[in-house]
Amino acid sequence: EDQVTQSPEALRLQEGESSSLNCSYTVSGLRGLFWYRQDPGKGPEFLFTLYSAGEEKEKERLKATLTKKESFLHITAPKPEDSATYLCAVQEGKAAGNKLTFGGGTRVLVKP
Amino acid sequence: EAQVTQNPRYLITVTGKKLTVTCSQNMNHEYMSWYRQDPGLGLRQIYYSMNVEVTDKGDVPEGYKVSRKEKRNFPLILESPSPNQTSLYFCASSHYQETQYFGPGTRLLVL
Repeated sequence: EDQVTQSPEALRLQEGESSSLNCSYTVSGLRGLFWYRQDPGKGPEFLFTLYSAGEEKEKERLKATLTKKESFLHITAPKPEDSATYLCAVQEGKAAGNKLTFGGGTRVLVKP
Repeated sequence: EAQVTQNPRYLITVTGKKLTVTCSQNMNHEYMSWYRQDPGLGLRQIYYSMNVEVTDKGDVPEGYKVSRKEKRNFPLILESPSPNQTSLYFCASSHYQETQYFGPGTRLLVL
């Protein structure tokens, strides 16, 4: 069974204080690893898809990396508007129904 | 604007009173899915549809029904809601095995 574990559960940062979020996964045949951002009371907003170990993607202050067992979401010089819950999800290559298996998320609070 | 819409956004109901949550997408996606999100349990898939008239169970289908009569719509039906179905519900859509895009969510309270 696919498993996704995110750490830490919560992260408090000062504005400008860079940090990393971890997503560890167990899946038989990874088709893709997805990062989403979720604001309170809203739907997950797509950030990145990573397909193979060694792949990296960047968007503004966010950079996602992937190894065979985990993914990191690096937040560089965060701003208060980066405060959100960040969700990691995996999709197995043979997953029935295109299913995403989600981790529990990391709540990030960036204080000015 | 490409989007997934859900209605209603908020709903309070009583045990046993049938309800339907609608989901619609304008991106011509074949695949649509329903998830529920609960504290400590994350997002879990309820039902999914690979295309019109093709639906199947996800991880937590008990107490739910779906239908896919048109490509753009995928309603979630609770025929006899119970308090343990109080949750935040999300609809998602995509082309098959591509990125899934989520709707804004429906917060349901069953008394």
